[in-house]
Amino acid sequence: DGGITQSPKYLFRKEGQNVTLSCEQNLNHDAMYWYRQDPGQGLRLIYYSQIVNDFQKGDIAEGYSVSREKKESFPLTVTSAQKNPTAFYLCASSIPGQVSGKQYFGPGTRLTVT
Amino acid sequence: KNQVEQSPQSLIILEGKNCTLQCNYTVSPFSNLRWYKQDTGRGPVSLTIMTFSENTKSNGRYTATLDADTKQSSLHITASQLSDSASYICVVEGSNYKLTFGKGTLLTVNP
Repeated sequence: DGGITQSPKYLFRKEGQNVTLSCEQNLNHDAMYWYRQDPGQGLRLIYYSQIVNDFQKGDIAEGYSVSREKKESFPLTVTSAQKNPTAFYLCASSIPGQVSGKQYFGPGTRLTVT
Repeated sequence: KNQVEQSPQSLIILEGKNCTLQCNYTVSPFSNLRWYKQDTGRGPVSLTIMTFSENTKSNGRYTATLDADTKQSSLHITASQLSDSASYICVVEGSNYKLTFGKGTLLTVNP
């Protein structure tokens, strides 16, 4: 999983509660990303950060928030405003601008909200 | 609209057989095309990355081809193994590092 850790692997929450998913990388990558994966769909970008203290909304940012206080860490908070939070969440990192700037993915966190 | 279409959606083959997965894209401008392997419940792992000027790239038993004129790519798996059972995702990078993901092809290799 390329030096990226996500915790926990499985997370269960009651509807109406905020929950924070952890993502840490030791690859010294500047860029970090959060994706959501639903059955039968391609990965969708939630938020990304190209540098510390800066982040941008992706295609489906509503109901989510992030912070990037350290290069190694990019936590994602799923708020109660997210209508369908149950999904598989993937964190990734990369060195932006490289021709071979492939993304390294973490192992994922499966969030179930009931 | 940038799109990446993969076919087939799912495929079942016997161990030892070869198979080819297809990817068509409409992403423009084009920067590179990537194939990832994703085991169930795990994060995707990169197999190959090809730029505009590359039309074939191999990684062990995996060989990817790219035809930038027709905007098509294929991933050929040779002498399949049970461990090849996974979802294979085609990803195209366009401008500003933006990635467009296909929905994946679910490959099952049976003994």
